[in-house]
Amino acid sequence: GNSVTQMEGPVTLSEEAFLTINCTYTATGYPSLFWYVQYPGEGLQLLLKATKADDKGSNKGFEATYRKETTSFHLEKGSVQVSDSAVYFCALSEWNNNDMRFGAGTRLTVKP
Amino acid sequence: DTEVTQTPKHLVMGMTNKKSLKCEQHMGHRAMYWYKQKAKKPPELMFVYSYEKLSINESVPSRFSPECPNSSLLNLHLHALQPEDSALYLCASSQEVGTGAYEQYFGPGTRLTVT
Repeated sequence: GNSVTQMEGPVTLSEEAFLTINCTYTATGYPSLFWYVQYPGEGLQLLLKATKADDKGSNKGFEATYRKETTSFHLEKGSVQVSDSAVYFCALSEWNNNDMRFGAGTRLTVKP
Repeated sequence: DTEVTQTPKHLVMGMTNKKSLKCEQHMGHRAMYWYKQKAKKPPELMFVYSYEKLSINESVPSRFSPECPNSSLLNLHLHALQPEDSALYLCASSQEVGTGAYEQYFGPGTRLTVT
């Protein structure tokens, strides 16, 4: 079956540090890949997405590239801010059923 | 407008109570979802409605009863819940189900506490 594996957290960084959160997936078909962010006490917000191999999703300084050869979709940001502190979920969805599979989530804390 | 709204924001109920959670979207989406999220865990899918019909029920206990009165509204009726049902209940919507891997848009959730 389909699944998503994320690097375990928590991750603590200083402001302006470089961020990488690793995500790998297993899928039987050709999934679309997503990163969602959840701020404390809130629902999930779509951060970025990629629908096919070599696509790069980007938003608010975050980027992730759909790598079919390594089945990965790592999240990166060049310079994190305190306001980026949140839980980040990698997720995938297959074309024919939209059954969204989430990774376990990675908690990021950015300190001033 | 990419907003999904949920009411109430917080709910405390006893094990003998009956209550309902409500969700609304005005994006013209034809698929709507209920998720349950425990602390420090990812969301777990409970139900999927496609074109106002229940298409997926992830073996959820009958004390949870979903309802989709129209394409914009989704309810979750709660009855005789257990303390372990305390969680954040998230509603989501997407353009469709089964014709593409569409992103889902989430509401802010209802924080449910069962006493």
